[in-house]
Amino acid sequence: LAKTTQPISMDSYEGQEVNITCSHNNIATNDYITWYQQFPSQGPRFIIQGYKTKVTNEVASLFIPADRKSSTLSLPRVSLSDTAVYYCLVGETGGFKTIFGAGTRLFVKA
Amino acid sequence: NAGVMQNPRHLVRRRGQEARLRCSPMKGHSHVYWYRQLPEEGLKFMVYLQKENIIDESGMPKERFSAEFPKEGPSILRIQQVVRGDSAAYFCASSPSRATYEQYFGPGTRLTVT
Repeated sequence: LAKTTQPISMDSYEGQEVNITCSHNNIATNDYITWYQQFPSQGPRFIIQGYKTKVTNEVASLFIPADRKSSTLSLPRVSLSDTAVYYCLVGETGGFKTIFGAGTRLFVKA
Repeated sequence: NAGVMQNPRHLVRRRGQEARLRCSPMKGHSHVYWYRQLPEEGLKFMVYLQKENIIDESGMPKERFSAEFPKEGPSILRIQQVVRGDSAAYFCASSPSRATYEQYFGPGTRLTVT
């Protein structure tokens, strides 16, 4: 399983776009990149998953450069309710062990 | 469609007692994962089960911890002779097929050992 590195914390203001970058230098050919969101006292919630280029859903966008050694989760126009911990995971879909790192604590201010 | 259910939500045990944590996966999901989260830390994988089978238990301590997912009923994580260091939030997740990273998590059980 590829090791990931994320910033420990980030601050933002309501209405801003937030970009959280994750480094995964030893990503393997079959690995996918997945992001989860976790609020205090709750289980993580799947946000988005991608393999290359760009993926967008109703919640976020995921940008993956050609070398796939990093990825960026983009949250458009954040609100106070986006304050949470965001986890980047890299592994083979079909692999059964999900490893969560320490994540990035995003704090959105009014 | 109900989500992943865990009970109890909070559990207090004295040192030396047993703790039983239950997880009912989403309807149609036959794959269950258990994780432990210590305060201010990320989730740590413990065990992955399919119906009646333990697929990977490499993250689970060899002693005092066991897990099962019977043909009928919820998955159970059992901790015998609990110690203070077992105090944590235990999360269960389920998925519909073999190991997609899109897992659906329950609300967790907060175990406090006094």
